[in-house]
Amino acid sequence: QLLLQESGPGLVKPSGTLSLTCTVSDDSITTNSHYWAWIRQPPGKGLEWIGSLSYRGSNFYNPSLKSRVTISAGTSKSQFSLRLNSVTAADTAMYFCARQNIATRDFDFWGQGTLVTVSS
Amino acid sequence: ELTQPPSVSVSPGQTAGISCSGDTLGSRFVSWYQQRTGQSPLLVIYKDNFRAPGIPERFSGSNSGNTATLTIRETQAVDEAVYYCQAWDSASLGLFGGGTKLTVL
Repeated sequence: QLLLQESGPGLVKPSGTLSLTCTVSDDSITTNSHYWAWIRQPPGKGLEWIGSLSYRGSNFYNPSLKSRVTISAGTSKSQFSLRLNSVTAADTAMYFCARQNIATRDFDFWGQGTLVTVSS
Repeated sequence: ELTQPPSVSVSPGQTAGISCSGDTLGSRFVSWYQQRTGQSPLLVIYKDNFRAPGIPERFSGSNSGNTATLTIRETQAVDEAVYYCQAWDSASLGLFGGGTKLTVL
């Protein structure tokens, strides 16, 4: 059973940088059949796709966040990360990492999520 | 943009339908996700009408014109959750609907 686990600071100061890592078990992010994505959910609200990592190609990002976001592969083949710059209170959310099927483009496995609060 | 009704109510054993509308949605593949309270989303339907592994046959999907629909037959209390539709636009922007809270009364 594939497992994804998010990790990183739960509190970030305004104007700072949010950094999260997703660790993937039983799989490698170098696979040709999947992308690796970040999705967030503000408290009590809906889901927002942040972007997806293509290990062998170009990443693609939500245009509303593109200027502040970087998704990259980790040094380990079982990790990828999210960096979000210049955060504000509006970036407070549960952040999920997920595996994305390249062919069908759906998110077929999700992590449990990690809550990040932006506050001074 | 994908539009869903905020809430749908159904009696146990009855059929629930949750709609998702968007421009030319029928020309794009739609996925559906179930999110129970306090849990991460779970893929239920992909490519309009394919059930994800382990999803009961009671769940089905359709997509035509500007509307996709998730149908749950013989609804059970365990189906109570928020359901999100999801699709991609022509510029590879991932879109989620606002979510529909399914209440089993």
